[in-house]
Amino acid sequence: AQTIHQWPVAEIKAVGSPLSLGCTIKGKSSPNLYWYWQATGGTLQQLFYSITVGQVESVVQLNLSASRPKDDQFILSTEKLLLSHSGFYLCAWSLRGAQDTQYFGPGTRLLVL
Amino acid sequence: GDSVTQTEGLVTLTKGLPVMLNCTYQTTYSPFLFWYVQHLNEAPKLLLKSSTDNKRTEHQGFYATLHKSSSSFHLQKSSVQLSDSALYFCALSDPNNRIFFGDGTQLVVKP
Repeated sequence: AQTIHQWPVAEIKAVGSPLSLGCTIKGKSSPNLYWYWQATGGTLQQLFYSITVGQVESVVQLNLSASRPKDDQFILSTEKLLLSHSGFYLCAWSLRGAQDTQYFGPGTRLLVL
Repeated sequence: GDSVTQTEGLVTLTKGLPVMLNCTYQTTYSPFLFWYVQHLNEAPKLLLKSSTDNKRTEHQGFYATLHKSSSSFHLQKSSVQLSDSALYFCALSDPNNRIFFGDGTQLVVKP
């Protein structure tokens, strides 16, 4: 069975500080990987997607970057947090791209003060 | 560009009544439509999906039919339960690996 794990579960960070969020998928080879951002009670905004190791496509900038260092790992980061970065960050995987079901991880809650 | 519109931000119903949540979309591609449900403090989960015109899809008592003629994929259930209270998102995907979510509809079911 496939499992998706995100870390950390939650973070409180200061404006201007760096951030790194992680996502690991086990039990699925070469998945398509996605990062989403969700404001509290708001819609889901796709941030990045990756089809293969080392390749990441940006959908929306938001002063964030993403990397896929391993087949099963997806990292979201920034060197300088903004207040607007607060929210819920969700990692997801799919088998055959966006036209296939998205399986979401448990998410990371971020509060920037 | 591609987009999804959900007209109701909040729907409040009494248990046992039917519900319809609206979803319309715009795309130049052949549409792939999804409904995701998100319970409080949880991740979204797939409820339904379709890319076939005029074919009803069903899951867990919910159903929807993709109508390309009206660019719609409305979600329905004949009798809502308390456990159906959640945030419902309609989503559209394209061949470029992009996914567009609607603003979401909060469904509140009262006893």
